[in-house]
Amino acid sequence: QVLLQESGPGLVRPSETLSLTCTVFGGSITPYYWSWIRQPPGKGLEWLGYVYYSGSAHYNPSLKSRLTILADTSNNQFSLTVTSVTAADTAVYYCAGGTPPDFDSWSQGTLVTVSS
Amino acid sequence: QSALTQPASVSGSPGQSITISCTGTFSDVGGYNLVSWFQQHPGKAPRLLIFEVTKRPSGVSNRFSASKSGNTASLTISGLLAEDEADYYCSSYAGDYNYVFGTGTKVSVL
Repeated sequence: QVLLQESGPGLVRPSETLSLTCTVFGGSITPYYWSWIRQPPGKGLEWLGYVYYSGSAHYNPSLKSRLTILADTSNNQFSLTVTSVTAADTAVYYCAGGTPPDFDSWSQGTLVTVSS
Repeated sequence: QSALTQPASVSGSPGQSITISCTGTFSDVGGYNLVSWFQQHPGKAPRLLIFEVTKRPSGVSNRFSASKSGNTASLTISGLLAEDEADYYCSSYAGDYNYVFGTGTKVSVL
């Protein structure tokens, strides 16, 4: 079982860009799928998108214009960028592995708060 | 895309069986055999319980079973234990490389 660990700021100002990185330990990111999922406080899960190790990515249509997910095979990492954030983007962000929707490995989650 | 519909809460006594429904449309749950179920305890990351509608990953108790009929998928927990008290989410492929989660169900063990 691989271990996933997110890194990135816990506070982002409104209108700025949220950036998170997920490092995969105990296994290679090739040849698998890697996703980002978020959960606003007290609310349900929302799939943001996934990247295949080769770099091909697909996004939640409602957020597509603001999201970028990239794979970095040399560092065994993948990343998430969300532009023009608002308070509605405040959430616990999880990175997850597995062929969607079979997300079989998860990070512990990191709370990102959007506030000035 | 709309979230799949789950009951907000389901409860049962220890030893009983409960079933959680997950209702979508022909564009997601009804159109593909790609439904998963997750268990989430408070403050923890979700855990995969079921994949491809009915399959259990290794290490998941056989007290968890699932099925699908039309646009509705269902998760059954048999022999309810106190440790089963958690939130449960379904997830489905929704076509065109898109995936959607359910609204979530809080399971209480009375």
